[in-house]
Amino acid sequence: NAGVTQTPKFQVLKTGQSMTLQCAQDMNHNSMYWYRQDPGMGLRLIYYSASEGTTDKGEVPNGYNVSRLNKREFSLRLESAAPSQTSVYFCASSERKWVGKKGGYTFGSGTRLTVV
Amino acid sequence: AQKITQTQPGMFVQEKEAVTLDCTYDTSDPSYGLFWYKQPSSGEMIFLIYQGSYDQQNATEGRYSLNFQKARKSANLVISASQLGDSAMYFCAMRNTGNQFYFGTGTSLTVIP
Repeated sequence: NAGVTQTPKFQVLKTGQSMTLQCAQDMNHNSMYWYRQDPGMGLRLIYYSASEGTTDKGEVPNGYNVSRLNKREFSLRLESAAPSQTSVYFCASSERKWVGKKGGYTFGSGTRLTVV
Repeated sequence: AQKITQTQPGMFVQEKEAVTLDCTYDTSDPSYGLFWYKQPSSGEMIFLIYQGSYDQQNATEGRYSLNFQKARKSANLVISASQLGDSAMYFCAMRNTGNQFYFGTGTSLTVIP
């Protein structure tokens, strides 16, 4: 089925460990995004990639890095995990330009990350 | 700057009744899109309905309708004939001519049998 695939679905890290969250989409979308979701704060943008070869910081980029590997894949890396990074992470993709209903996001199923 | 405001952290509705979830937005772009997403307890984000800034009529998708009041910058979601499966978090979002979405903080809806 077409969509956005995120891995892993669950992860527990110790403080200081590193990991990479993987995201891939097969809808030929140009733009991809990483969000974190925390209770009472909605979704906050970490990084986004408007098109292949470009990445930009969002609202909460500190402690994260991203790589737009190709048009399909956009990964999020935590170099040294901290308890404050305990959250649910969502990857999303969209058409680059807002084009009506098609300008909406397609979300991955999320990664629940706990840092202890 | 806050772009999307959802002032109702939690809402309750009786099964089969209608409920309105509030959303106001702030943008100076003349062209923008408004979206509502549903997040059930399983965690996935599900697209519900879309309204374009130039659309003359309010959007409808089955039991969902969007009460779009452009002058007031509001885009309230109306769910008619509520069902137990409607219990979830609901997020309002806006996309302008840029590459970012702006999300509200969400409203938790509980449908009471």
